[in-house]
Amino acid sequence: AQSVAQPEDQVNVAEGNPLTVKCTYSVSGNPYLFWYVQYPNRGLQFLLKYITGDNLVKGSYGFEAEFNKSQTSFHLKKPSALVSDSALYFCAVRDSNDYKLSFGAGTTVTVRA
Amino acid sequence: EAGVAQSPRYKIIEKRQSVAFWCNPISGHATLYWYQQILGQGPKLLIQFQNNGVVDDSQLPKDRFSAERLKGVDSTLKIQPAKLEDSAVYLCASSLNVGATDTQYFGPGTRLTVL
Repeated sequence: AQSVAQPEDQVNVAEGNPLTVKCTYSVSGNPYLFWYVQYPNRGLQFLLKYITGDNLVKGSYGFEAEFNKSQTSFHLKKPSALVSDSALYFCAVRDSNDYKLSFGAGTTVTVRA
Repeated sequence: EAGVAQSPRYKIIEKRQSVAFWCNPISGHATLYWYQQILGQGPKLLIQFQNNGVVDDSQLPKDRFSAERLKGVDSTLKIQPAKLEDSAVYLCASSLNVGATDTQYFGPGTRLTVL
């Protein structure tokens, strides 16, 4: 069975500073990894995914994520955070041996002006 | 391209009452999912359809929850009777196919409060 952990409940950064949201995973097969963002009273919006190939994946709104197989991590990054990036971020994983998508508990990002 | 549509957006009911949620997926998406998101947690899959067939309903509390996707397009999720612990956001998602690499796209959700 697959699982995903987001070790930080909250991340606080100043606008213009780099933003990192951490995610680690556990799978028995190959991992397929996803990041979603959720704004208040909205559904989840897809940001990016890693399936195979280049370990650095670029997504929407200037976000990117780096797949690290040895550390079983898939951290989300943004070089320069905006106040509008304040939201709830979810990491999710699918095992190549299973079609089910498992989500982490989420990390609340607050970007202060 | 229109996204996943859900209604209603909000619902408040008394415990032991019944409630139904509706979802219309992105046009052409064969796979439809219903998730339950309890406050402070990530979404948990309740049921997955491929066209009008059930792929996985292992986490659906079948004594009170039911779902259908009769024509392989829109879907309804019903709770009967509701319990206090059913208070959550119910998210519908769709994907082109059931493949492990397919991206799921989510609707805005229905926030259910059971009093």
